[in-house]
This record gives sequence, structure tokens and C-alpha cells, in this order.
Amino acid sequence: GAVVSQHPSRVICKSGTSVKIECRSLDFQATTMFWYRQFPKKSLMLMATSNEGSKATYEQGVEKDKFLINHASLTLSTLTVTSAHPEDSSFYICSARGVLAGVYNEQFFGPGTRLTVL
Amino acid sequence: SQQGEEDPQALSIQEGENATMNCSYKTSINNLQWYRQNSGRGLVHLILIRSNEREKHSGRLRVTLDTSKKSSSLLITASRAADTASYFCAFDSWGKLQFGAGTQVVVTP
Repeated sequence: GAVVSQHPSRVICKSGTSVKIECRSLDFQATTMFWYRQFPKKSLMLMATSNEGSKATYEQGVEKDKFLINHASLTLSTLTVTSAHPEDSSFYICSARGVLAGVYNEQFFGPGTRLTVL
Repeated sequence: SQQGEEDPQALSIQEGENATMNCSYKTSINNLQWYRQNSGRGLVHLILIRSNEREKHSGRLRVTLDTSKKSSSLLITASRAADTASYFCAFDSWGKLQFGAGTQVVVTP
């Protein structure tokens, strides 16, 4: 089956610093990757969609200068939270969609990254 | 918001009982999926039902889809303590997944 990894799984940083989260598709080429945010006991909110080699499309209300997304290769997308503040503390989850064994597949989710900003 | 609605928000049952949760959405969809999430962990994909399907089974799971009512239900039969988790529906619309609010299920031994 398709596997998506995220790194780091957990990060604590000081207010004002930037944090980069990586999302990798391990056994398939991800033409599209998605980034979600989840607050405690809440649902997942789609933040942005990124297609390999092009700029990410952000959902309404998501600051693109705050959450920088790069999808430079078919197996890697990164989310950088710039100048992080305590309100950015959240669980960030990526998913990937692409072609596996010649079949265009559904989204596969990474395990998530817990960000805590002090 | 494009998010779907789920009910109930929380469900507490005893082992062996069935658990049913419902999801409603507003847009046209390609498929609808159900996920499970243990506290603080990632998502586990449970089942996908396509827009031209009405019912699907997977082990103790049964999913129905009524596109005329824009609703779906997930039934977990003979629940176990290990089924304790949050369950989310997610509908695929225009290539994006939009998630429901989730149902917290607690199964007590």
C-alpha cells in the first residue's frame, strides 16, 4: 500500500521562529499533496493544495505568506510556518495523491506533526 | 464552509452494541470516505464508497450512501473497546477532501 511520512512528528519552537515540516510519499509519485490543520477535538481543515512544480492553492482564510508550501518534487512537499506564534500551535497533517501501480489513487495521509509554539 | 456535518457529536456504548453515525454534505461528490483517528494520532482510512454505490461492507463496518439526501452513515457492528476513537467522514468534491466534524465514540467494556 501507499505510505506517506511526515517529519518531524513533534516539534516545539519559540515564538517568532520558523518551522519546516516535510511530507514524503515513499512508494509512489505524488502529483498532488494536501496540507490540513487540526485543532484539539476538532476536524481537519484543508489549508492548501499543491501540485508538483506549481504554486500551491490556498483555501480561503489561510495566509500564504504565513504558511509557505513547496512541492518541488514528486515525492516531497514542505510546509514552513513562518514567524510562528502560539496560535499556530496545532496538529498538521499532509496527504498525497498520485499514481501507484499505474492507477491514479486516492489520498493517503501522513501521521501528522504536532507543533507547539511557546 | 464546505465541511460536512456529523451526528452524533459523541456516542458512548457498551461492548457488543452497534454504533451508528451519520454524515451530511452539501455539494456533489465523487466519493465519500470514512476515517478513524485515535487521540493525537494520524488518520486511518476505513472505507470508501463511490457516488454510484449505495452500500458497502468491510468486516464489521457497513457504510451507506444516499446521494439524493446527500447523506451517509457508518455502522460498526459488535463494537469492541478498541473501537474507541473519533470517526470522520470526508467527501471528495472536485479533487479535494472536505471533512465532517467527527463523532467521538467511546466503547466501554
